[in-house]
Amino acid sequence: GIQVEQSPPDLILQEGANSTLRCNFSDSVNNLQWFHQNPWGQLINLFYIPSGTKQNGRLSATTVATERYSLLYISSSQTTDSGVYFCAVSNFGNEKLTFGTGTRLTIIP
Amino acid sequence: KAGVTQTPRYLIKTRGQQVTLSCSPISGHRSVSWYQQTPGQGLQFLFEYFSETQRNKGNFPGRFSGRQFSNSRSEMNVSTLELGDSALYLCASSLRVTSGTPYEQYFGPGTRLTVT
Repeated sequence: GIQVEQSPPDLILQEGANSTLRCNFSDSVNNLQWFHQNPWGQLINLFYIPSGTKQNGRLSATTVATERYSLLYISSSQTTDSGVYFCAVSNFGNEKLTFGTGTRLTIIP
Repeated sequence: KAGVTQTPRYLIKTRGQQVTLSCSPISGHRSVSWYQQTPGQGLQFLFEYFSETQRNKGNFPGRFSGRQFSNSRSEMNVSTLELGDSALYLCASSLRVTSGTPYEQYFGPGTRLTVT
């Protein structure tokens, strides 16, 4: 099946810093989503981005499908941005979401 | 519009017992998927239901089963619980109708199951 790798596994930043999270996948995809998992376990939808670039406030994402990677940018980090960020993909003929292992982001005040 | 809801939120069971978890999708969503999250294995797909039919299944033993009702609500059942079944069980719903056409999935808050 498709493999999803996320980097870095852990990231500790000062409040106000910017960060870039990466997601590499091993095969063509027709669905890619970024999620933020809050401390209570809920997965919050950030972006549905199988290709192209999207922005939502301080967050933006870019997926280069031909090169099999996606990037999530967080600017001017706030403590509420702390948590685990997951990338999940599905490919043609197998629409289940396959998740990466996540990036744990810690923002220090 | 209300989000995906799951009940119960927390559950403690004993080895050998069985458990049933419930999921109500977003209104209008007919596809419901279930995922298991553990510290060791991460997030893994269990199964997907659409129109009361299981359309996709992950690599889990037959002790894990599910069903979907005509109102798109779904339940999953785990029989003969093992310690390793302790996990966060997440349900997701989407507008997906046909295979091959992906749609954004939205997740519920999860049910945290502890097996002792």
